[in-house]
Amino acid sequence: GNSVTQMEGPVTLSEEAFLTINCTYTATGYPSLFWYVQYPGEGLQLLLKATKADDKGSNKGFEATYRKETTSFHLEKGSVQVSDSAVYFCALSDNNTDKLIFGTGTRLQVFP
Amino acid sequence: GAGVSQTPSNKVTEKGKYVELRCDPISGHTALYWYRQSLGQGPEFLIYFQGTGAADDSGLPNDRFFAVRPEGSVSTLKIQRTERGDSAVYLCASSLNRAPTGELFFGEGSRLTVL
Repeated sequence: GNSVTQMEGPVTLSEEAFLTINCTYTATGYPSLFWYVQYPGEGLQLLLKATKADDKGSNKGFEATYRKETTSFHLEKGSVQVSDSAVYFCALSDNNTDKLIFGTGTRLQVFP
Repeated sequence: GAGVSQTPSNKVTEKGKYVELRCDPISGHTALYWYRQSLGQGPEFLIYFQGTGAADDSGLPNDRFFAVRPEGSVSTLKIQRTERGDSAVYLCASSLNRAPTGELFFGEGSRLTVL
């Protein structure tokens, strides 16, 4: 069945460091891919998405490119801030259903 | 412009008791989802409503779990004869359009603890 695997955390970085959070997926067909973020004390919110191969989603300085050949959707940011500290979830949806399948989440901690 | 509202935010109950969790979606959102998140895990799909009807309930773990959305707005997740393994954060989300192209808006969740 469909699944998402993302790197375990926590990821601990200093402010202005480069961030990569790896995400790979297994799916039949051509899923849409998402990154959701959960800031402390808040609900999950969509960070970015890509609906087809080679699409790049971007938001708030974060980027992720839908790589069909490597079945990956790695999240990157060139210079993280303390305010980026949160839990990041990679997710996919089968275009035949309405279910999002989430990874286990990666906690990012950014220190000044 | 309120977001998705879930009540209660915290619920502690004893094994065997009945629990109801409420979700008030964003006004006008026709799609509503329930997910369950256990500690250290990602959200796990439970059930999806389009309007008043459950379009997909394949994620409900067993017949102790049931959800309704009688008027196509507020939804209630009902858990009978609670077990310790039901302890988790129950998340509700709504969307304007049918996913996956639509964006899901999540509430902050209801944390259920079964003693």
